[in-house]
Amino acid sequence: DAEITQSPRHKITETGRQVTLACHQTWNHNNMFWYRQDLGHGLRLIHYSYGVHDTNKGEVSDGYSVSRSNTEDLPLTLESAASSQTSVYFCASSGTSGSDEQFFGPGTRLTVL
Amino acid sequence: GQNIDQPTEMTATEGAIVQINCTYQTSGFNGLFWYQQHAGEAPTFLSYNVLDGLEEKGRFSSFLSRSKGYSYLLLKELQMKDSASYLCAVRDRGAGSYQLTFGKGTKLSVIP
Repeated sequence: DAEITQSPRHKITETGRQVTLACHQTWNHNNMFWYRQDLGHGLRLIHYSYGVHDTNKGEVSDGYSVSRSNTEDLPLTLESAASSQTSVYFCASSGTSGSDEQFFGPGTRLTVL
Repeated sequence: GQNIDQPTEMTATEGAIVQINCTYQTSGFNGLFWYQQHAGEAPTFLSYNVLDGLEEKGRFSSFLSRSKGYSYLLLKELQMKDSASYLCAVRDRGAGSYQLTFGKGTKLSVIP
């Protein structure tokens, strides 16, 4: 069965360190998305990609970067982790039909100390 | 930009019916999605509306009025497992746009 996976599921890091969160999907979807979810804010879009070598900034992109070198993967990098980036991160993917829903990965809980 | 509003919390009784409302303001509209999210888990897709009217899927139904910028999710015959957060999300009309803007979610508690 097709799926979308994230790793690690939990991560504790220190302020200033570079952190990369992995996202891998086997749906063969062109569209991939990264969100963060915080109490009181809901899901907010960080970056998204509509295909290989395509990346776009979302609502809360400062301090984050992504790259898309193949269809299956969209890693999210925190260049210099800050305590404000403590959050739960979800990756999602979707097809390109107007009614296609986004399928979400299980999430990564990141704590920046 | 988009503004999406839904109640923060609701409580309902097992076996009852509950309606969760969502209002939105958007510069363009290209569909509305409802997701369910249990605590500590990922959101899962429930329904999609792009035209006015009611879409029914078993115990869950979703309604859309584009002229009013309004949708609701109707849950019938509530079960304890329906205790979760329900997220309303809107897709913008921009060409080739697939990203969603999510509301903050409504936490539903089902009590015996």
